[in-house]
Amino acid sequence: DIQMTQSPSSLSASVGDRVTITCQASQDISKHLNWYQQTPGKAPKVLIYDVSNLETGVPSRFSGSGSGTDFTFTISSLQPEDIGTYYCQQYDHLPISFGQGTRLEIK
Amino acid sequence: QVQLVQSGAEVKKPGSSVKVSCRASGGTFGSYAIAWVRQAPGQGPDWMGGIIPIFNIAHYAQRFQGRITITADESTSTAYMELRRLTSEDTGVYYCARSFDIQRWFDTWGQGTLVTVSA
Repeated sequence: DIQMTQSPSSLSASVGDRVTITCQASQDISKHLNWYQQTPGKAPKVLIYDVSNLETGVPSRFSGSGSGTDFTFTISSLQPEDIGTYYCQQYDHLPISFGQGTRLEIK
Repeated sequence: QVQLVQSGAEVKKPGSSVKVSCRASGGTFGSYAIAWVRQAPGQGPDWMGGIIPIFNIAHYAQRFQGRITITADESTSTAYMELRRLTSEDTGVYYCARSFDIQRWFDTWGQGTLVTVSA
């Protein structure tokens, strides 16, 4: 099974800050990497698919990059509504697997 | 726009089974796949398996093999996930989620079903 390792596990940033989360796969997953945001009591919501493609309706302050085993998710200017937990997810190999999450808080 | 509507919360005894349903409201499954994703308290999502209803072929995560059955009824646009031999470690929120294929991203999620396993 492919293990997805996210860092940091939590972070606190101010409104307007640039925020970066990394995700490392235990083996090459090409560009089969997606990012989700989850807020308490809600289902995850896809923000970015296939590394860098923005889901319809997702603000352009969100972006992603990477390939192979190392991936990055960035919020260019943090907004209050961005609080929540972010997960990466690979689908290159079954079973599909998620990272353990990065909890994002506002300072 | 299709929404996924799941059945209500369940409380189960250890050793019993649970069956959760997921209905496509406002449309059909079409050629999409439906996955089941579990989230234990305070943990990340955990993919359990998925099915493409029009082909009725299910794929399961190895750790659930033998305990899980995922089925779909195209006539009612409803998918089901049955998990047997429940233990306290199966407590969590169970989501169904839609994707273009078994191996893709999940663009639509159900509201989640809380399953509590307790003696």
